[in-house]
Amino acid sequence: IAGITQAPTSQILAAGRRMTLRCTQDMRHNAMYWYRQDLGLGLRLIHYSNTAGTTGKGEVPDGYSVSRANTDDFPLTLASAVPSQTSVYFCASSPGQGVKPQHFGDGTRLSIL
Amino acid sequence: EDQVTQSPEALRLQEGESSSLNCSYTVSGLRGLFWYRQDPGKGPEFLFTLYSAGEEKEKERLKATLTKKESFLHITAPKPEDSATYLCAASHLGGSNYKLTFGKGTLLTVNP
Repeated sequence: IAGITQAPTSQILAAGRRMTLRCTQDMRHNAMYWYRQDLGLGLRLIHYSNTAGTTGKGEVPDGYSVSRANTDDFPLTLASAVPSQTSVYFCASSPGQGVKPQHFGDGTRLSIL
Repeated sequence: EDQVTQSPEALRLQEGESSSLNCSYTVSGLRGLFWYRQDPGKGPEFLFTLYSAGEEKEKERLKATLTKKESFLHITAPKPEDSATYLCAASHLGGSNYKLTFGKGTLLTVNP
């Protein structure tokens, strides 16, 4: 079934550790996104990529980095995790910019202790 | 400031009791309004896109409408399986890119 695969599905991590969340899509979508979802705050954009080889900062980029080496993969890295990064992380993709719906993975639940 | 506000935050209905969810928006240059459904432990699932005031979209028991200031998701004769969080999001211009601003969602519970 076509869609977005995120891994791991959940993780408990010690503060200060480095962590990479993986995201792969098989829909050949140009644009990909990373969001975090926190209770009471809704979905907030961390980073995005309009096409392979380009990335941009979203609303809450600090403490996170991304890369887009190819169309299918868009990993999110926490260089040195802090407790405030405890959240549910969603990866999404869309065919391109403009008024096109984004399609989401099922998320990674990350707890930083 | 670009903002999307959903109300109510939570709604309990009896099976068969129709109602509406509201999504009001204040954004610069709306290009489209999306509705999503999110089940517990899952990612948002796309439902509808509305592009201009007056437009309506329907899918089973759901109908989405759009005005110049708000969108409504009407649920007719809901069933327990319609229980979920419903999110709306406004696509609008932000600098040189399109931005997608989400509301915080309405948690709908339909009791049998």
